[in-house]
Amino acid sequence: NAGVTQTPKFRVLKTGQSMTLLCAQDMNHEYMYWYRQDPGMGLRLIHYSVGEGTTAKGEVPDGYNVSRLKKQNFLLGLESAAPSQTSVYFCASSYSGTGRSYEQYFGPGTRLTVT
Amino acid sequence: AQSVAQPEDQVNVAEGNPLTVKCTYSVSGNPYLFWYVQYPNRGLQFLLKYITGDNLVKGSYGFEAEFNKSQTSFHLKKPSALVSDSALYFCAVRVPSSASKIIFGSGTRLSIRP
Repeated sequence: NAGVTQTPKFRVLKTGQSMTLLCAQDMNHEYMYWYRQDPGMGLRLIHYSVGEGTTAKGEVPDGYNVSRLKKQNFLLGLESAAPSQTSVYFCASSYSGTGRSYEQYFGPGTRLTVT
Repeated sequence: AQSVAQPEDQVNVAEGNPLTVKCTYSVSGNPYLFWYVQYPNRGLQFLLKYITGDNLVKGSYGFEAEFNKSQTSFHLKKPSALVSDSALYFCAVRVPSSASKIIFGSGTRLSIRP
């Protein structure tokens, strides 16, 4: 049981380049989330998904797109990277439904630098 | 506006002493409350939660937290700190009716000196 995994762990992009971050979970969780973590700002929600084939915007969605074609995978895309997107990105997943308390399980993070 | 506040950026405690990391919240309805810990270069790990019931909840690594509805607080505590408790701690609140209304505090860095 690997939990939540993220690929890659580190990446350096030039301004304007694109990339996709992959998140995978093997816990059969319905909900998945992408956050970014910046110093002194806690975690901010970028996009989330409540099930396969569905996605929604979070607090800071501009400049990012997501897809959830399979229940276990949640992809985060940057179409044209900007220096403001330099951050550490975390994926998380959780159960949903009656009786669940929704605590989240986090991946190890992807450190992205845009120059 | 819904929010979570961790008023202390850093808390310093001597090993063996009790520790408290503070969290207050402002959300509508009856929130779910969580504490997470983050060690260097790692993702967040779930510590404990309050959903309903007993106001004192116990979690991993000997931590506990007390829910106080009148003061809208959910402070994290441990009776005797260990050097290995040094990490970044996040309080989070979830509005039960929403998958997206999960609000994290800005984090408190806990430093335990030997």
